[in-house]
Amino acid sequence: RKEVEQDPGPFNVPEGATVAFNCTYSNSASQSFFWYRQDCRKEPKLLMSVYSSGNEDGRFTAQLNRASQYISLLIRDSKLSDSATYLCAVNMGGGSSASKIIFGSGTRLSIRP
Amino acid sequence: EPEVTQTPSHQVTQMGQEVILRCVPISNHLYFYWYRQILGQKVEFLVSFYNNEISEKSEIFDDQFSVERPDGSNFTLKIRSTKLEDSAMYFCASREGDAYNSPLHFGNGTRLTVT
Repeated sequence: RKEVEQDPGPFNVPEGATVAFNCTYSNSASQSFFWYRQDCRKEPKLLMSVYSSGNEDGRFTAQLNRASQYISLLIRDSKLSDSATYLCAVNMGGGSSASKIIFGSGTRLSIRP
Repeated sequence: EPEVTQTPSHQVTQMGQEVILRCVPISNHLYFYWYRQILGQKVEFLVSFYNNEISEKSEIFDDQFSVERPDGSNFTLKIRSTKLEDSAMYFCASREGDAYNSPLHFGNGTRLTVT
């Protein structure tokens, strides 16, 4: 099983739609999780950290399901500018600050007018 | 807002040559990383670095790779004898390290082309 897995997509949705992505991880001891956004040929940019109780930032909601070892990202009222690749990232070290952080392969999202 | 800076933005080198990619992490960050991304593929972990030593490294990070923090600000990745398959975007990242959930902050990347 891969350490971090994502559905590569692409997801092609109309503007204003709600879209959700999942990401599964293999290490049950992992404690920190993140969602990043990557535009074509650019560096990943932090979208949001994922907290145990779930968290929201404007139109974006992140959830963590430890029992099933996945995290999710929900985007409401999608905008054209949301078109990008969304990467999940998992700290594989169970909380150690020096441990490796592994990225999923990313889910491509395309918003159409 | 403080940022991670990388130089050069693009490096072209011949197979077998040595290259050094440079990074200046965010000044109060303690943990440093290198990732690479081959065109069209995923962001792959290479190495993490803390307290002047490697913390973890991946299978990709073999003997041709090395990292160094030569002074208080720079963090470098050296590839000793480049191969064609080393062509990729190399990203440096740093994190504050105060909390387990402190995120990575990435530089703009160095595009390495090996000919």
